[in-house]
Amino acid sequence: DIQMTQSPSSLSASVGDRVTLTCRASQDIRNFLAWFQQIPGKAPKSLIYAATSLQSGVPSRFSGSGSGTDFSLTISSLQPEDFATYYCQQYYAYPLTFGGGTKVEIK
Amino acid sequence: EVQLVESGGGLVQPGGSLRLSCAASGFTFSTYAMTWVRQAPGKGLEWVSSIIHSGGRTSDADSVKGRFTISRDNSKSTLFLQMNSLRAEDSAIYYCVKERQWPGDLDFWGHGTLVTVSS
Repeated sequence: DIQMTQSPSSLSASVGDRVTLTCRASQDIRNFLAWFQQIPGKAPKSLIYAATSLQSGVPSRFSGSGSGTDFSLTISSLQPEDFATYYCQQYYAYPLTFGGGTKVEIK
Repeated sequence: EVQLVESGGGLVQPGGSLRLSCAASGFTFSTYAMTWVRQAPGKGLEWVSSIIHSGGRTSDADSVKGRFTISRDNSKSTLFLQMNSLRAEDSAIYYCVKERQWPGDLDFWGHGTLVTVSS
């Protein structure tokens, strides 16, 4: 199975900060990587697919980068509604696997 | 507007069975693969099972293989998950997810249905 490792597991940041979350795959997954946002008590929401493609309706302050084994999600200017947990997921091969998540908290 | 509405969750004893349903609307259900993902309380996301648009091919996590069966009724735009021989570790919120592309490119998530396995 492909292991997905996210870092950090949590971070504290302020509104307006630029934050970068990272995700590493245990083997080359090309660009078969997605990012999801989950607000407590809500279902996950798609942000990024194919490593860099922005889901329709998602604000442009979110961006994804990377290929192969190393990926990142950047929020250019953190907004109050962005405080949530973020998960990466590989879909290069079954079983589909998720990272453990990064919780973004208010400083 | 895409909508996925799960139902069928509840409290069941270990060894029991449940059948989850997911009613889809707002898109042409029969042309998209679908997936179930679960999340234990306070934990991360775990892929459970996927099915292609026609229903002719499925894939299951090892943790549920032989116990859970994914299926679909394209005439009713409904996805199912038959869960047998349930264990305490199957307790979770179960999300129905529309795929953008097979395999595994997850797109839109339902709100989820809670399954609790306990005596």
